Amino acid sequence: GENVEQHPSTLSVQEGDSAVIKCTYSDSASNYFPWYKQELGKRPQLIIDIRSNVGEKKDQRIAVTLNKTAKHFSLHITETQPEDSAVYFCAASGGSSNTGKLIFGQGTTLQVKP
Amino acid sequence: GAGVSQSPSNKVTEKGKDVELRCDPISGHTALYWYRQSLGQGLEFLIYFQGNSAPDKSGLPSDRFSAERTGGSVSTLTIQRTQQEDSAVYLCASSSTGGWQPQHFGDGTRLSIL
Repeated sequence: GENVEQHPSTLSVQEGDSAVIKCTYSDSASNYFPWYKQELGKRPQLIIDIRSNVGEKKDQRIAVTLNKTAKHFSLHITETQPEDSAVYFCAASGGSSNTGKLIFGQGTTLQVKP
Repeated sequence: GAGVSQSPSNKVTEKGKDVELRCDPISGHTALYWYRQSLGQGLEFLIYFQGNSAPDKSGLPSDRFSAERTGGSVSTLTIQRTQQEDSAVYLCASSSTGGWQPQHFGDGTRLSIL
């Protein structure tokens, strides 16, 4: 079945620096890749997503890139702020059934130091 | 309300008891998903409902787990004869049509088995 690997598991950066989180997926038929931010005790919040027909998408300080050939995608956060501190999850879905069920990575705990 | 609503928010029960968890999706959303998040882990897909189609139950970990969705709206996840390893946060998400439409999560039910 589909498998999603996420790295690193923890990431600590200084405020203002950039943060990059990387994910690889196993099912070449996957076609939708969302990223979720989860603060402690809260629900996962969708922050950005990308579909397989584009290679990059940006939303203010957040960007996601997709390399379908290599089957990996990355989240880039620029000018990090303390409020960016949270656990970030990547996910993949698609395949022949395309139900939308998400296969998640194990998460990255991002700490932004003031 | 405008978001996905789950109840109860917390549930503590003794090993061997049955529990029912409820999810009320965003109005008009035809796709509904259940996921499980164990402590410090990623999200694990459990089951998917889409309209009147047969549900995708491929993620249910054992036959003690079942779910239904009545009238295409509210869903109930039932765990029979609970075990300690069932302790987790159970999250529900909905999307407008499934596929690669964004999924929006509820706050989850934190289930603790004593």
